[in-house]
Amino acid sequence: GAVVSQHPSWVICKSGTSVKIECRSLDFQATTMFWYRQFPKQSLMLMATSNEGSKATYEQGVEKDKFLINHASLTLSTLTVTSAHPEDSSFYICSAPGQGVDTQYFGPGTRLTVL
Amino acid sequence: GQQLNQSPQSMFIQEGEDVSMNCTSSSIFNTWLWYKQDPGEGPVLLIALYKAGELTSNGRLTAQFGITRKDSFLNISASIPSDVGIYFCAGKETSGSRLTFGEGTQLTVNP
Repeated sequence: GAVVSQHPSWVICKSGTSVKIECRSLDFQATTMFWYRQFPKQSLMLMATSNEGSKATYEQGVEKDKFLINHASLTLSTLTVTSAHPEDSSFYICSAPGQGVDTQYFGPGTRLTVL
Repeated sequence: GQQLNQSPQSMFIQEGEDVSMNCTSSSIFNTWLWYKQDPGEGPVLLIALYKAGELTSNGRLTAQFGITRKDSFLNISASIPSDVGIYFCAGKETSGSRLTFGEGTQLTVNP
């Protein structure tokens, strides 16, 4: 299947700082990528849909000014958590649609811990 | 909105036993996907289903797309310790639309 990478795999930051997470499609192009958040022992919750060359679409209840998404190229989407707080600590996972098949491939995730 | 009920929430089985888990939806899906997630990692696609009644296998895994298009099940035969993890079902109402995830089934396999 298609390969999606994320960087960093884990990050620890102080409260009030901003953190950027990168999501890359390694062997294919993705005009759309998806960002999920997963709390311990819970399912994946879609935060937003990242669209190459246009604004991201955010799910209800997700603050677009806090979770900035930039899809600058066909292989890269970034999620920036601005002014992070301890309640933002979570596992953030991105995904990209498969090529020619109706599916989604997920990155390995980024563990964010805000102190 | 869409609701996906996945059961059971957890299973504790002995190595060699067969396992079955299922998902039901409040709405019709055009695609059913089954994923496995290991601790600290992203979900890995196991099986994709695209037609009502479709039965697809991947090694010891078998999944079916329900005829009503509102349910799907995943079977694991002859379980082994490395089958341990969380299994998620996910569905899509139309091609290209968002995925809706089930709550997951935590599988524990005792050697």
